[in-house]
Amino acid sequence: AQSVTQPDIHITVSEGASLELRCNYSYGATPYLFWYVQSPGQGLQLLLKYFSGDTLVQGIKGFEAEFKRSQSSFNLRKPSVHWSDAAEYFCAVGAVKSGYALNFGKGTSLLVTP
Amino acid sequence: EPEVTQTPSHQVTQMGQEVILRCVPISNHLYFYWYRQILGQKVEFLVSFYNNEISEKSEIFDDQFSVERPDGSNFTLKIRSTKLEDSAMYFCASSEVLAGVDTQYFGPGTRLTVL
Repeated sequence: AQSVTQPDIHITVSEGASLELRCNYSYGATPYLFWYVQSPGQGLQLLLKYFSGDTLVQGIKGFEAEFKRSQSSFNLRKPSVHWSDAAEYFCAVGAVKSGYALNFGKGTSLLVTP
Repeated sequence: EPEVTQTPSHQVTQMGQEVILRCVPISNHLYFYWYRQILGQKVEFLVSFYNNEISEKSEIFDDQFSVERPDGSNFTLKIRSTKLEDSAMYFCASSEVLAGVDTQYFGPGTRLTVL
């Protein structure tokens, strides 16, 4: 069955520290991968996406993610976290085989401490 | 920057009542979607819509739900007879092309509370 797993429900990092949020997927078709961020009371904002090509993709707000087919992972990283990065982060996977629906992970809530 | 808008931001209704959630997708987009997020759970796909008809729907999208594009700008989700378990945040999204090869842009959501 198709699935998206974000193993960490909550993560706490200190401001200025590096960040890695994990995402693993299980898909039969070639996946299209996305990371979205949701701040309190806000909608889902696209951080970055991977469709094909270079497996290291750059996004907005200094985020990047690396697609590793062998590990079925698409982890999100940021070298230095800012307090404003505190939010809920969602990994999502789409595939042409599955039609138009995005399949979301359960999300990781990021807390940034001073 | 163009964005997807949704109204209302919060809707409270009694069980058994009909509700209509409204969305204005990005103007040049052709594909429209509804997702929902029950509190504490993941975002779930409900339905996609293209060329005035449903393209795909999930098993959540039963006969109680319907979608419509009543004019050139609005996209609505109707729940005919709401149940307690319909309480959730409902997100509208739009994309220029198919989800598999393009990005879905999401609105801020409508929080539906069924009492």
